[in-house]
Amino acid sequence: DARVTQTPRHKVTEMGQEVTMRCQPILGHNTVFWYRQTMMQGLELLAYFRNRAPLDDSGMPKDRFSAEMPDATLATLKIQPSEPRDSAVYFCASGAGTGREDEQFFGPGTRLTVL
Amino acid sequence: GDSVTQMEGPVTLSEEAFLTINCTYTATGYPSLFWYVQYPGEGLQLLLKATKADDKGSNKGFEATYRKETTSFHLEKGSVQVSDSAVYFCALGNSGGYQKVTFGTGTKLQVIP
Repeated sequence: DARVTQTPRHKVTEMGQEVTMRCQPILGHNTVFWYRQTMMQGLELLAYFRNRAPLDDSGMPKDRFSAEMPDATLATLKIQPSEPRDSAVYFCASGAGTGREDEQFFGPGTRLTVL
Repeated sequence: GDSVTQMEGPVTLSEEAFLTINCTYTATGYPSLFWYVQYPGEGLQLLLKATKADDKGSNKGFEATYRKETTSFHLEKGSVQVSDSAVYFCALGNSGGYQKVTFGTGTKLQVIP
């Protein structure tokens, strides 16, 4: 049963600390998305990659957020330094990337709390 | 740019009631339309989709018809169950081969016994 995995599932940290979230997309998928979900803002697209290359990261605060795909099986989202307003659930999703009709497969999310 | 508007929630229904969640969209070209569902504590998952005008997507008793003339994709179910309690997101895909999707704000459904 292929699925997207994310680690950690929960993270509590203090303001100013670095946070790294990891995602393993479904094997063979070449498109990866990072989303942030909050009660106030809903679901926001932070960044997305195709074939490991970033296509759009305009949704990310550039001064503190960075997203990378070191290889096809790992995507990372890093926040440095973290702030209380970064508290949210962060989702990774992957897709086959063959067209606009494709389904996105979401991971279970990382719930981040910054104190 | 592309956008999706869906009805505000929460929607509270009794078990076996009829469900409609309205969704309208703005897009150029010929987008694909989706409904995703998010159960508590989980990520979103695809519920159904339609890829061209007049297509009807259906799954688990839910259905939605792609109406180009009214730019709508309303979600319906004839008889809801407590297990349908979740947040429902309307979405559209319209970016060529890059699979980027524009999501609505989500509608929370609560079904009471």
